[in-house]
Amino acid sequence: AQSVTQLDSQVPVFEEAPVELRCNYSSSVSVYLFWYVQYPNQGLQLLLKYLSGSTLVKGINGFEAEFNKSQTSFPLRKPSVHISDTAEYFCAVRESSASKIIFGSGTRLSIRP
Amino acid sequence: IAGITQAPTSQILAAGRRMTLRCTQDMRHNAMYWYRQDLGLGLRLIHYSNTAGTTGKGEVPDGYSVSRANTDDFPLTLASAVPSQTSVYFCASSDAASGGPDTQYFGPGTRLTVL
Repeated sequence: AQSVTQLDSQVPVFEEAPVELRCNYSSSVSVYLFWYVQYPNQGLQLLLKYLSGSTLVKGINGFEAEFNKSQTSFPLRKPSVHISDTAEYFCAVRESSASKIIFGSGTRLSIRP
Repeated sequence: IAGITQAPTSQILAAGRRMTLRCTQDMRHNAMYWYRQDLGLGLRLIHYSNTAGTTGKGEVPDGYSVSRANTDDFPLTLASAVPSQTSVYFCASSDAASGGPDTQYFGPGTRLTVL
């Protein structure tokens, strides 16, 4: 069965510093991977997704993620964060044979000036 | 274009009471979903509907029911609320023409407290 783990519940970083949010998944078949972002008091919105092809995926707001099949990981990165990136970030997975997305527990990114 | 609207924004409810959370979308999306969001657990799927007239159970369906009489509306009902149903509830939709099932559009959420 598919599952996804976000190891960090909170990640504090200084403004303009780089950030990496960890995500690992478990599945015995091929998967599709996603990152969603939830800004304060809002619903989630899709940040980026990996379906096939290039393992480096670029999303909105300067974020990118890299699919690593051997490590079953899909870390989210940004080279320089801004205060406006303060949000909760959810990694999600869907097995190619499944119809439903499974969300991770979320990582709260807090940006310090 | 409003996207997805949810009502109420928040509600405090006595245990044992019946409650319906409303969800309406104006995007004509075929699929709709209800999730609950709890601290440390992320989002868990309660029920879903792939198209009007059909519904299915998600990960945590017990204590909840849904209906999908038309494309736009997808209400979630708690027949007899219990404190463990205290949560933030999100409605979402998706459609093949708008990115498929993996690109879900979320409403602003309903914060429900059951005492």
